[in-house]
Amino acid sequence: DAGVIQSPRHEVTEMGQEVTLRCKPISGHNSLFWYRQTMMRGLELLIYFNNNVPIDDSGMPEDRFSAKMPNASFSTLKIQPSEPRDSAVYFCASSLSRGVNQPQHFGDGTRLSIL
Amino acid sequence: AQSVAQPEDQVNVAEGNPLTVKCTYSVSGNPYLFWYVQYPNRGLQFLLKYITGDNLVKGSYGFEAEFNKSQTSFHLKKPSALVSDSALYFCAVSSLMNRDDKIIFGKGTRLHILP
Repeated sequence: DAGVIQSPRHEVTEMGQEVTLRCKPISGHNSLFWYRQTMMRGLELLIYFNNNVPIDDSGMPEDRFSAKMPNASFSTLKIQPSEPRDSAVYFCASSLSRGVNQPQHFGDGTRLSIL
Repeated sequence: AQSVAQPEDQVNVAEGNPLTVKCTYSVSGNPYLFWYVQYPNRGLQFLLKYITGDNLVKGSYGFEAEFNKSQTSFHLKKPSALVSDSALYFCAVSSLMNRDDKIIFGKGTRLHILP
């Protein structure tokens, strides 16, 4: 059974460029979460979706960040324009249903470096 | 507001010795508690969860955790540590009293198993 798939695994780009991170959740999961992990701030929830609908985007740091989930098997997180302080590991996670007792399953992340 | 604390940034244990990684929580209502492990360059992996029932929960890789309601703790334990257990461990909490599906993660504890 395939897990959560994220692409690319690594991204290096110059500040000001647009960055798009991609996620394919586990089939049948209907909740999807985007996190950011840094040494300084730890693991931060950016946004989550349920049945493709954004439920809470209060963790999105700025208007430069946007996320979409056009269908049940695909989501994107976009940063435009990117800045060096956006450098982090970005994780996507999915869970089986909308329920706080369900574990989340994480992808292996995208390591983003903004020069 | 719910929160989770992992009081130790790092724990060092000799191989073969028992290990404990501490976690305390604060939540309205009954808690749902989780432990995750993160290996280098990987996403978080679900280890075990407490929802209700027996206070001692068994999970993957020989790990277990004990729910203690009076002390609001959910410490992770293993009777005999392996070098391969060296990783970053996250405790997480949620509750039905949430108005959303967020799981709150602790800052993580780095476990070093010394050969």
